[in-house]
Amino acid sequence: GQNIDQPTEMTATEGAIVQINCTYQTSGFNGLFWYQQHAGEAPTFLSYNVLDGLEEKGRFSSFLSRSKGYSYLLLKELQMKDSASYLCAVRPYDNDYKLSFGAGTTVTVRA
Amino acid sequence: GAVVSQHPSRVICKSGTSVKIECRSLDFQATTMFWYRQFPKQSLMLMATSNEGSKATYEQGVEKDKFLINHASLTLSTLTVTSAHPEDSSFYICSAAFPGSSSYEQYFGPGTRLTVT
Repeated sequence: GQNIDQPTEMTATEGAIVQINCTYQTSGFNGLFWYQQHAGEAPTFLSYNVLDGLEEKGRFSSFLSRSKGYSYLLLKELQMKDSASYLCAVRPYDNDYKLSFGAGTTVTVRA
Repeated sequence: GAVVSQHPSRVICKSGTSVKIECRSLDFQATTMFWYRQFPKQSLMLMATSNEGSKATYEQGVEKDKFLINHASLTLSTLTVTSAHPEDSSFYICSAAFPGSSSYEQYFGPGTRLTVT
């Protein structure tokens, strides 16, 4: 089976930085996605990593280390609207869209 | 950008009845769609892969006779929950595979909240 772990909850202050870690043990690895999901809504795409290193996109950055089975999502200059669940998902199989999701990390931003 | 819609957004039904949920890709053709269910504060669990023109592929533990999937066209997949029971109450989300995406990206619908009474 696929095992993807991330913390359940994190709390941070508006304007601060939060790092959400994700570790995975999967049957294969063909890319890792981060999604943002507000309560009762669909997940929306944040980032995609397939090679080791840091991908930066505005206030959000994502890092991947394939040898360690580890990724993190970094949220900078936190805003109240960033309060949401953040899902880590791995694509285990080549030539296949199928994803395995972690349970999600609920981030609460406080004023 | 790619948009996926779901209908209805919320449905309440009585135990024993059937409910149909539609998933549409609005501005692209999707040969492959996925159906997930999500319980409160839990992960998205893949139920099945829906392929246009062929039978759906169900994940282990998902009853194919209870969760009927039909992918009749390149823009529409439907999930029918037959003889629904209260334990089927959940958030059902579909996604559509964006064709030709080098990252094999999926676009998600807004979800359907099913409550079985």
